[in-house]
Amino acid sequence: RKEVEQDPGPFNVPEGATVAFNCTYSNSASQSFFWYRQDCRKEPKLLMSVYSSGNEDGRFTAQLNRASQYISLLIRDSKLSDSATYLCVVNLQGGKLIFGQGTELSVKP
Amino acid sequence: DAGVTQSPTHLIKTRGQQVTLRCSPKSGHDTVSWYQQALGQGPQFIFQYYEEEERQRGNFPDRFSGHQFPNYSSELNVNALLLGDSALYLCASSFAESYNEQFFGPGTRLTVL
Repeated sequence: RKEVEQDPGPFNVPEGATVAFNCTYSNSASQSFFWYRQDCRKEPKLLMSVYSSGNEDGRFTAQLNRASQYISLLIRDSKLSDSATYLCVVNLQGGKLIFGQGTELSVKP
Repeated sequence: DAGVTQSPTHLIKTRGQQVTLRCSPKSGHDTVSWYQQALGQGPQFIFQYYEEEERQRGNFPDRFSGHQFPNYSSELNVNALLLGDSALYLCASSFAESYNEQFFGPGTRLTVL
């Protein structure tokens, strides 16, 4: 079983749609959680950290359920510029980041 | 303020050769981590350097080794290259006290023929 699992997609959605990504992790000792965004042939960039209380950054909402070992990302009012691969990431210990496979999002006009 | 830089950007090698990749961390950062990203996959943790020592290591063979210099820059060395080593190699830097915030460089794309 992979340590971090994501649906690879691709998710093809129209502009303005709401899209949700899910992720599960296997190691209950995971300490912190993130969503990264990666554009084609570029480096990953931190989109947002994820907290148990849930957190929001504009159109983006992230949630963590430690009991279920489940992480989610919701994107509202999708823009063309949101097209990218979204990586679910957990920090096991001391900065050892474990990445999911990534979920590809394509937003169409 | 320069971000994380890596060199070279692209590299082509043949099986059995050795390669050295270089990384300069973001200004002020003292910790460097290396990741391998195969096509269509997420990055995989190779190892992490702090105070010129390897502090953590992922599930990679001894052919993968590294070094960190007093100025915090780092090198990744891969010996006896295999076709399967073809990937994007990413360097990420952070403060030791805040591992959560890791900033990635643009990567080195290695092709092994």
